Amino acid sequence: DSGVTQTPKHLITATGQRVTLRCSPRSGDLSVYWYQQSLDQGLQFLIQYYNGEERAKGNILERFSAQQFPDLHSELNLSSLELGDSALYFCASSVSASEQETQYFGPGTRLLVL
Amino acid sequence: GQNIDQPTEMTATEGAIVQINCTYQTSGFNGLFWYQQHAGEAPTFLSYNVLDGLEEKGRFSSFLSRSKGYSYLLLKELQMKDSASYLCAVRSGYSTLTFGKGTMLLVSP
Repeated sequence: DSGVTQTPKHLITATGQRVTLRCSPRSGDLSVYWYQQSLDQGLQFLIQYYNGEERAKGNILERFSAQQFPDLHSELNLSSLELGDSALYFCASSVSASEQETQYFGPGTRLLVL
Repeated sequence: GQNIDQPTEMTATEGAIVQINCTYQTSGFNGLFWYQQHAGEAPTFLSYNVLDGLEEKGRFSSFLSRSKGYSYLLLKELQMKDSASYLCAVRSGYSTLTFGKGTMLLVSP
């Protein structure tokens, strides 16, 4: 158990819908990262927040957005869902945003878009 | 841009030694990580290399050559529970990681 929690574990929804995934980092960690993992693409970095502010952006679609709240939990919002958005979504956290930090992953949310 | 290559699949026998290679091309290299991921589960941290050489951690060792853009993960005394996907990830710039597609290792009795 990494100490990172994610809810829900599973989510089934329809195309065109909007969902929100939630992540609570390890106690004391200020930095949160979101990743998408699909079978053909591997683990893709989406976005990073540090202490409430966006720090880095990866391959995140405009239909997706995220935020980190004052209590440091983070939410990833996925809208206008498409079949291709079906994937595992992982959150990871680290103590800071420094170069030396190891990222610890949560158990993931499995999203199925029908 | 960044490019990370690792073999798609490998097989090995229980008790044996296996080496999983990773080659990368990146600008601003800032460290290389290895993660283990069992099917449907979270990646778990195995090792970190930022300087050339070998880092040993029990049955697992990781090697880095920055000049060659090359790393390997060495697993000794293989156990059935080591059957998993092994992800090579490179950090460049600030703190974001770029992952390879992973090497699926199957350990047979």
